[in-house]
Formats: sequence, C-alpha cells, structure tokens
Amino acid sequence: DAGVIQSPRHEVTEMGQEVTLRCKPISGHNSLFWYRQTMMRGLELLIYFNNNVPIDDSGMPEDRFSAKMPNASFSTLKIQPSEPRDSAVYFCASSLGAHEQFFGPGTRLTVL
Amino acid sequence: SQQGEEDPQALSIQEGENATMNCSYKTSINNLQWYRQNSGRGLVHLILIRSNEREKHSGRLRVTLDTSKKSSSLLITASRAADTASYFCATDAEGAQKLVFGQGTRLTINP
Repeated sequence: DAGVIQSPRHEVTEMGQEVTLRCKPISGHNSLFWYRQTMMRGLELLIYFNNNVPIDDSGMPEDRFSAKMPNASFSTLKIQPSEPRDSAVYFCASSLGAHEQFFGPGTRLTVL
Repeated sequence: SQQGEEDPQALSIQEGENATMNCSYKTSINNLQWYRQNSGRGLVHLILIRSNEREKHSGRLRVTLDTSKKSSSLLITASRAADTASYFCATDAEGAQKLVFGQGTRLTINP
C-alpha cells in the first residue's frame, strides 16, 4: 500500500506566483482532507471532500486558495497569487468514512 | 480556537520511563483520536476512543477518556528513543469527519 502521495515535497516560489499542490489518496478511501501546519497556528483543516464533492471549505483562508477533486484518485490545492504568509507545510489526508485519517508526507511551501 | 489542548506543551524524560500527556476539549464529542508526528513527517494515527469508552490499550499505549471532565490522557509505558515525536489529540466536535487538532505535546526521550 503506497499510502497518501503528495507532490511536490518541497516548493520554493516567489510572491505572486501560482502554486499547485497535488495529492493522491489511498485507493478505496472516500474522504480527502487538506490541512496546513505552521508553528503559529498549528494544524488547520482547510477543506475536505466526500466522494469527490467539497463538503466544508470554511477553513480556506481567502479567495486566493482553491481546491479541486476531479476524481477519486486525485486532488489539487492551488494558491494564486501566493504570498509569504502562505509559507507552511500542507498535508493531504484520506479516510474511509468517519474513521482514522491517513496523512501524506506533506509539501513544504516557501514563498519568498 | 483549538478544540483540543494538550498539556504539557513539551515533555522530556529518560528512556524506560512512562510518559503521560493530557488533552482537554470544550464541547461534546463522539470520539477522540491521538496522532503522532515525527519531525518532518505526516501525522500517524495511534488510537481512537469512543465517547462510551473509558479506557483503551494498544501495545505500550493506554488512553483514557473522561467525558464528564472533557479530558483524555495518553500514557506511553517503557518509553524508547523512537517515541520522540509530537503527539496530538483530535476531536470530532465540529462534525464526524471534521477533526480539530490541538497544538500538540512535544515528547523527547533521552537515552
């Protein structure tokens, strides 16, 4: 079992650039979550999907953030335009229903 | 605000000793979960305890839940250097799938 796969693992970009983070959930899982982790704010849920449908996006910071899940095996989180305060580690997690969540290794984003 | 709050924020003990971490929360829950995060890695699920359970064991882990006090504790017995990590509690108070994580306890096991 490959687990949750995220890419890229590290991303360094300049302010104003578009950033796209990618996630492949565990096969058979029907829920997918995007989190952001910073020292100041801890681990925050940004958005989650059930059966590819966005259920709760109340954690998305602002309109610069968007997430899609075109199919059961792929999701993207896009930031456009990026700002230095977006620098964080972004995690994707998946689960089967309301049970334990399996986290990916994360993408460390640095916006200069 | 964070639903779960871990205590202490940091804990340093000698290998072989027991480590106890606490979590408090504010509203009713259906279950509470504990996760571990090694430096630079994603979170790993350790154990889930339901609101109608008082205690649960998994290997060297023992979790208790007191719904009247809205608190939980995680005990790691006979600690090992490999247990060095941050430990987070997460509650489902805002919805079955919407886990809210605490700030975590950073545990250091000294050899």
